[in-house]
Amino acid sequence: AQSVAQPEDQVNVAEGNPLTVKCTYSVSGNPYLFWYVQYPNRGLQFLLKYITGDNLVKGSYGFEAEFNKSQTSFHLKKPSALVSDSALYFCAVSSVGGSYIPTFGRGTSLIVHP
Amino acid sequence: GAVVSQHPSRVICKSGTSVKIECRSLDFQATTMFWYRQFPKKSLMLMATSNEGSKATYEQGVEKDKFLINHASLTLSTLTVTSAHPEDSSFYICSASGIVAGGSSYNEQFFGPGTRLTVL
Repeated sequence: AQSVAQPEDQVNVAEGNPLTVKCTYSVSGNPYLFWYVQYPNRGLQFLLKYITGDNLVKGSYGFEAEFNKSQTSFHLKKPSALVSDSALYFCAVSSVGGSYIPTFGRGTSLIVHP
Repeated sequence: GAVVSQHPSRVICKSGTSVKIECRSLDFQATTMFWYRQFPKKSLMLMATSNEGSKATYEQGVEKDKFLINHASLTLSTLTVTSAHPEDSSFYICSASGIVAGGSSYNEQFFGPGTRLTVL
């Protein structure tokens, strides 16, 4: 069975500082990894994905994520946080040869302080 | 890009009534649609997966007779909450995956904006 862990319920960061939202996964086979963002009372918006190729994936709004196979991680990062980045962030995984239905983490609330 | 709409965005109903929520893929064919339920500040709970033209596959613990899902075409899926009760109040989100023009089919899901259901 595949699974995703987002170990932090909440991440607090000051505006202008770098941010990291952590995600680790477990799958059989090669993973497909996704990050989504959700603003209050909205659906999820796609940020970025890793399928194959470069381990560093660049996505929307200046976000990026690094696929680390040895650590089974796919942490979301941004060099300089904005107050408008405050939202709920979800990591998801599916796999080649495994379940095609993505499994979502429980979400991490990012709060960027002015 | 791939756009998914949901209607209505918000609904308030009396206990015992049924509510239908529509999910549409506007610019691509959604071979698979997903229905999620989200509680406040909580993760998404997958309720069911539906493929066009076939019966939905429900997750364990989700009542099939209470949450009726129909996926009659490649662009439309509906969720009907039958005989709704206050405990059914929640944020319901649909998503769709399929072949997007110029894109990949690597199981990426495109989410609707969600429907806030309040049962009085």
